[in-house]
Amino acid sequence: DQQVKQNSPSLSVQEGRISILNCDYTNSMFDYFLWYKKYPAEGPTFLISISSIKDKNEDGRFTVFLNKSAKHLSLHIVPSQPGDSAVYFCAASENNDMRFGAGTRLTVKP
Amino acid sequence: ETGVTQTPRHLVMGMTNKKSLKCEQHLGHNAMYWYKQSAKKPLELMFVYSLEERVENNSVPSRFSPECPNSSHLFLHLHTLQPEDSALYLCASSRGGTMNTEAFFGQGTRLTVV
Repeated sequence: DQQVKQNSPSLSVQEGRISILNCDYTNSMFDYFLWYKKYPAEGPTFLISISSIKDKNEDGRFTVFLNKSAKHLSLHIVPSQPGDSAVYFCAASENNDMRFGAGTRLTVKP
Repeated sequence: ETGVTQTPRHLVMGMTNKKSLKCEQHLGHNAMYWYKQSAKKPLELMFVYSLEERVENNSVPSRFSPECPNSSHLFLHLHTLQPEDSALYLCASSRGGTMNTEAFFGQGTRLTVV
């Protein structure tokens, strides 16, 4: 029962352009959503989050958008940098029960 | 450095061995988690401890046995594992309680069962 889905296993973007990573969820009880970034041989590191009472949260180059009616969230990175190349995990939480997607590997080309 | 430390970083064990994974956090968090990451699959939540009490067990086989002696330490005891249990095992902690917060992850233990 995969409650959080990232349907794109990989994404390649040119440096300076926008990266858009997408995530869908099925459980309408989720009320907190997060994005994590993972480099090889390291654990995931927290990037940005959004509560279900908001539809947008921005932190520097990173913006997360939430569409509750569509059960969809996205992460925008602009401008993309080569150092952003990593695997990005979407997560959704209800009462600290956090479920993750399978991840999207982002490659930012110089 | 996330404040969550896992040991060992790598572990190779036979199917008849018994081993334990250790996780330690110095963040003052009240909730700790074990996740399993298999290749090309989502992180799977295995166990959740809140204030040292297990609050969730996601139908994990009994060959995995968690232990949380205090709010700073979490163990995963392993016995008679199968080759398909080979994966990256990640520990995480969070403030817990009713307010959702981000979880902080350790670097993981790469487990290989031979």
